[in-house]
Amino acid sequence: DVKVTQSSRYLVKRTGEKVFLECVQDMDHENMFWYRQDPGLGLRLIYFSYDVKMKEKGDIPEGYSVSREKKERFSLILESASTNQTSMYLCASSWTGGSYEQYFGPGTRLTVT
Amino acid sequence: AQSVTQPDIHITVSEGASLELRCNYSYGATPYLFWYVQSPGQGLQLLLKYFSGDTLVQGIKGFEAEFKRSQSSFNLRKPSVHWSDAAEYFCAVGGGATNKLIFGTGTLLAVQP
Repeated sequence: DVKVTQSSRYLVKRTGEKVFLECVQDMDHENMFWYRQDPGLGLRLIYFSYDVKMKEKGDIPEGYSVSREKKERFSLILESASTNQTSMYLCASSWTGGSYEQYFGPGTRLTVT
Repeated sequence: AQSVTQPDIHITVSEGASLELRCNYSYGATPYLFWYVQSPGQGLQLLLKYFSGDTLVQGIKGFEAEFKRSQSSFNLRKPSVHWSDAAEYFCAVGGGATNKLIFGTGTLLAVQP
């Protein structure tokens, strides 16, 4: 079974802190994604990566950056956390040229105070 | 523009009753269609997917969905709902040159005893 893990289930940070959210997949997927989920807004794509060191902005990249140094790991970085970044963050991965099916991690509930 | 519409934000059904969740899409390329389910505090789990062939697809947990190209719809159905089906359901569409999925805003299902 494909497994996507996220470093924390719950995280509480203060405004202005630098925050790292880590995601690891164990199926050699080329593509990895970071989404933000808010009530009534569904899943919004922040960034995605289609290869090591490659990334593309999604629909809401402002205030976020990403890093992909190894194929299995995709990190989301909040350079200076703000209260409006309080949300559920979901990581996903998929194969290139496959079925477009994405496999999701359990999510990180981030609260910025 | 590419989009997915789930017109029902919240649905309540009685246990044992039938269920239909609606999904309409707008997509330029041949669509690959998905339904995901999210239990409270969890990541998304794939229920079923449609790529080609038979327009009625079977998924896990007794769910099925029917692709209707003429109506640009991919509605999810279950003949008899169980209390454990209470969750949020997301429809998604992908395809073409991009590896991204476009998600609907979700339908929250409540099940009454």
